[in-house]
Amino acid sequence: SAVISQKPSRDICQRGTSLTIQCQVDSQVTMMFWYRQQPGQSLTLIATANQGSEATYESGFVIDKFPISRPNLTFSTLTVSNMSPEDSSIYLCSVAGGILPNTEAFFGQGTRLTVV
Amino acid sequence: GQQVMQIPQYQHVQEGEDFTTYCNSSTTLSNIQWYKQRPGGHPVFLIQLVKSGEVKKQKRLTFQFGEAKKNSSLHITATQTTDVGTYFCAGVNSGYALNFGKGTSLLVTP
Repeated sequence: SAVISQKPSRDICQRGTSLTIQCQVDSQVTMMFWYRQQPGQSLTLIATANQGSEATYESGFVIDKFPISRPNLTFSTLTVSNMSPEDSSIYLCSVAGGILPNTEAFFGQGTRLTVV
Repeated sequence: GQQVMQIPQYQHVQEGEDFTTYCNSSTTLSNIQWYKQRPGGHPVFLIQLVKSGEVKKQKRLTFQFGEAKKNSSLHITATQTTDVGTYFCAGVNSGYALNFGKGTSLLVTP
């Protein structure tokens, strides 16, 4: 199993500012994933964070808006840049528990972001 | 790309009634996973199905994977208030990330 510490747990931000979310895992993992979950909705994959290379973004998400860092095998950050109210959402980091793809995913507690 | 559809979106039952949620994929899945998310919480893994026609049970929960590996279901027998939450199915995409269905929110009234 993997224990994920994600922070901040929640924040209220002014539009036009940026917020960096941190994700710390208690073990080394190859791939980390960032999801967005809008209120009452499902989880949408933003990007896959790979150590030693650029993140891989899903359709509809771009690096300028959601820059990701992955400095080592236990840590990643997601920045939500130039925020607008439409960015209000829960952001979750996730890791695989073992050998992909036949393994469960573990999630951080999430960051509840409100943009005003 | 792979799309995972899930129905119903909401289900409200009386405690003791059964509950079923269905998941359908536009493509054949290598495996399918089920997660539960309690209100205000994060998704928690329930089970993974890999084999065609596979059926797995966890106490009152029964999970099935279709013969064609394109659909799955979760059935809860005699629901309890502790079953409240949103149940998601998820297929694995080519990048090894999970592709979640829209989820079924279950409300159980005592």
